Amino acid sequence: EAGVVQSPRYKIIEKKQPVAFWCNPISGHNTLYWYRQNLGQGPELLIRYENEEAVDDSQLPKDRFSAERLKGVDSTLKIQPAELGDSAVYLCASSSPWDGTKNIQYFGAGTRLSVL
Amino acid sequence: KQEVTQIPAALSVPEGENLVLNCSFTDSAIYNLQWFRQDPGKGLTSLLLIQSSQREQTSGRLNASLDKSSGRSTLYIAASQPGDSATYLCAPTTGANSKLTFGKGITLSVRP
Repeated sequence: EAGVVQSPRYKIIEKKQPVAFWCNPISGHNTLYWYRQNLGQGPELLIRYENEEAVDDSQLPKDRFSAERLKGVDSTLKIQPAELGDSAVYLCASSSPWDGTKNIQYFGAGTRLSVL
Repeated sequence: KQEVTQIPAALSVPEGENLVLNCSFTDSAIYNLQWFRQDPGKGLTSLLLIQSSQREQTSGRLNASLDKSSGRSTLYIAASQPGDSATYLCAPTTGANSKLTFGKGITLSVRP
C-alpha cells in the first residue's frame, strides 16, 4: 500500500512568487494535516482537515497561505506571495480513527522549499 | 499551550551502547504520546505510541516510558547500531482535536 505522497520534493523560487504543494494521503484516511518544519525545529501544524472540512487552521497565516481539499482526498497548500521566511520543509500527514492505532499520523517525505 | 523540551539537542555514542533519550512536556493532560524518527531529508516515522493510561510500550530494541503526572517520557534504545542514527522527536497529543506538539528533536549519531 502506498504511503502519503507529496510533490514536488524540492522547490526553489524567488520571493514574491507563488508556490503550491500537493499531497495524496493514504487511501481511506479521512484526516489530513499540513505541517511546516523549520531547520532544527519540530514540525508545527498549519491546518487539519476532516474529510473536506478544515477543522483547525488557527496556525495558518491566512494573508498569504491557503489550502484546499477537494472531495476529501488530495490536498494542495499554496503560498502567494512567498517570502524569505517561508523557506522550510512542508510535511503532509494523514490518519484514520478506524485503524487499531488511533491517531497514528503517517507522514509524507515533505517538500523542501527554498525562497531566494 | 503545550511546550515540549528535548535535551540534549545532539548525542554521539559508540555502537553497542544502551542509551536514553529524554522528553519533557508542560501540560500533563495528554491523550497519548508518540516518539518519531526522522532521517535526513525524509518525513517522520512513528516508532511508538503510548496511551495516557499506559506506563510503557516496547518494540524490538526500543522501549518508551511515560510519567504523565511529572510530564516526562523517555525512549530507551538497547544495543545501539549505526542504523539508529537519526533525529528522534517526541510529540504528546493534547485535547479533543488530538493536536500533536513536537519537540525540536535529538539528533543521534551512533559511531561504528
